Amino acid sequence: DGGITQSPKYLFRKEGQNVTLSCEQNLNHDAMYWYRQDPGQGLRLIYYSQIVNDFQKGDIAEGYSVSREKKESFPLTVTSAQKNPTAFYLCASSPTSGQGRISPLHFGNGTRLTVT
Amino acid sequence: AQTVTQSQPEMSVQEAETVTLSCTYDTSESDYYLFWYKQPPSRQMILVIRQEAYKQQNATENRFSVNFQKAAKSFSLKISDSQLGDAAMYFCAYRTFYKLIFGTGTRLQVFP
Repeated sequence: DGGITQSPKYLFRKEGQNVTLSCEQNLNHDAMYWYRQDPGQGLRLIYYSQIVNDFQKGDIAEGYSVSREKKESFPLTVTSAQKNPTAFYLCASSPTSGQGRISPLHFGNGTRLTVT
Repeated sequence: AQTVTQSQPEMSVQEAETVTLSCTYDTSESDYYLFWYKQPPSRQMILVIRQEAYKQQNATENRFSVNFQKAAKSFSLKISDSQLGDAAMYFCAYRTFYKLIFGTGTRLQVFP
């Protein structure tokens, strides 16, 4: 079955360490997204990518970095510059051609990152 | 910039009753798409219903329907015959070509 895989489900890190969250999709979607979810704040967009080797900052990109070397993969690195990294992170994908604009985002199951 | 507002942080409904969740948005675009997502305790995001702005007819998916008022920029979700499994966070979302913008969510509780 096609879908989006995020790993790991739970991640613990010490303050000051960089950490990379994995996101892989086999839906053949061009676009991929990273969202952060905090209590009472809904989902906020960190980065998005419409095509391989290209990505754009979302609303809260500071302290994060991404790469898009393959269509299937869009890893997110949480750097030590991110002031409050503890959160729930969701990866998503969608097509861009044809009915891409009306297509909903397909989400992974998320990664809960805790930094102490 | 587009914004999405959900003014009800929490709502509750009795099983088998009907509940309406509110959503308003702000945009200068004329062609866009709106979605409602459900997030149960598992935290998986599940698409509930979608609406195309150029269609006047309100979307319906089984027990879920929307009241789309384009001039008022309002997009409410009605859940009929509520079930215990409907208990979740519900997010309204506005789709631009490049991204999906979410509201802050409404937590729905369903009582037996």
